[in-house]
Amino acid sequence: EAGVVQSPRYKIIEKKQPVAFWCNPISGHNTLYWYRQNLGQGPELLIRYENEEAVDDSQLPKDRFSAERLKGVDSTLKIQPAELGDSAVYLCASSFQGTEKLFFGSGTQLSVL
Amino acid sequence: GDSVTQMEGPVTLSEEAFLTINCTYTATGYPSLFWYVQYPGEGLQLLLKATKADDKGSNKGFEATYRKETTSFHLEKGSVQVSDSAVYFCALSGTGGFKTIFGAGTRLFVKA
Repeated sequence: EAGVVQSPRYKIIEKKQPVAFWCNPISGHNTLYWYRQNLGQGPELLIRYENEEAVDDSQLPKDRFSAERLKGVDSTLKIQPAELGDSAVYLCASSFQGTEKLFFGSGTQLSVL
Repeated sequence: GDSVTQMEGPVTLSEEAFLTINCTYTATGYPSLFWYVQYPGEGLQLLLKATKADDKGSNKGFEATYRKETTSFHLEKGSVQVSDSAVYFCALSGTGGFKTIFGAGTRLFVKA
């Protein structure tokens, strides 16, 4: 069974440019999460979806970040415009609805120059 | 709010040494507690969990006991191997929702 798939693996952009990350969760997982992991820190939740509905986006910086999960499967996280402080690893995770075990992708490492 | 504090790394051990990574938490209610592990180049994966006080989670020789009186969930292994070199994250999932909060992670190096 395929795990959570994220792309790209690495992304280098200049500040003020837009960037997008893509995530394909494990088949059948209703819940999808986007986390941000700064260097030397643990992951921090940005947004959680139940199917196509964003049920917790309280930590998402909505002035520049947006996310969507069309048809309740794949998800895209976008930053526009990117700032230097956005450099981090962006992790996608999924889980069966109602369970606590998270399955993580390998992440997208973003460097903003 | 809820939080997790774990010992800073890196922790460097020789093969077959005893491992302890300390983790304490602050939470309202009765959270579930987890240890996740991140091997080089891979995503985080669940190592073990405990859902109520005095529960012991175990997997791959690792153990952790949910201690409500000390709000702790320390990770232990009796004899580490080189293949255990990774970053270990303590985490909690609060009651009433599925927001998992992670500690900062502890990097473990095991020397042959």
